[in-house]
Amino acid sequence: EAQVTQNPRYLITVTGKKLTVTCSQNMNHEYMSWYRQDPGLGLRQIYYSMNVEVTDKGDVPEGYKVSRKEKRNFPLILESPSPNQTSLYFCASTLYRGAGELFFGEGSRLTVL
Amino acid sequence: KNEVEQSPQNLTAQEGEFITINCSYSVGISALHWLQQHPGGGIVSLFMLSSGKKKHGRLIATINIQEKHSSLHITASHPRDSAVYICAAYSGSARQLTFGSGTQLTVLP
Repeated sequence: EAQVTQNPRYLITVTGKKLTVTCSQNMNHEYMSWYRQDPGLGLRQIYYSMNVEVTDKGDVPEGYKVSRKEKRNFPLILESPSPNQTSLYFCASTLYRGAGELFFGEGSRLTVL
Repeated sequence: KNEVEQSPQNLTAQEGEFITINCSYSVGISALHWLQQHPGGGIVSLFMLSSGKKKHGRLIATINIQEKHSSLHITASHPRDSAVYICAAYSGSARQLTFGSGTQLTVLP
C-alpha cells in the first residue's frame, strides 16, 4: 500500500531538548516536504527536497533542519525546540515535485513546554 | 510570492445541496491541488489540476488558468462530506506549494 509514515504521532517535550520527527515513503517519490499547520494560519511549508541530498527552505524554516540521505526518508530535526514550534506537522511526498498527486503522512502533533 | 485565497471560510449546508468552494491565486502556477482534511487531522488528495475539469464521483474540480481561479463542487452533499477543504497552488518557478486557509464544510442531515 502506498503510504507516507510519520513518527511519532504525538509528542510532548520541553524547551531545548532536541527531537527528530521521521518521515518515510514507499513510493520512490523524488519530492518530499514538511509542513506545519496552525489555527488561523493554515499549512505552511518548512522545507522541501527535490531529491537525495537536495533540500531547500520553504516559508518558515527557522528553528528546523532536514536531511535527505536516502530517497525514502526525510526527517525533520528540531535542534532546540521552543514553545512557538508547538504545532501539527505533516510530511508529504509526490512523484513530480508539486505537480503530481500529493501523499500526506498522518501528522505529528508536537507540544513544546 | 503566491497568495492563495479561499472562500467561503465556513459553509453549512443541508444534505443534498450543491456546494461550491472557491480558490483564487495571484501568480501563474503549474498545478492546483484540492485536499480534504477530516476531523482527526489526516489530509487526503482529492484532485490535481493543471487545466480544465476533473470529476470523481460526486466531486468536480475546475480551473480557469486565465482568471487564476479554481472551484470545487460537491453534488448531492452528504454529512460524511463534512471536512475542511484546502486548495494548494504549485509554482514551478518557485518550486513551492502555497496553501489556502481552508474551508470548513458542515453538511447537516
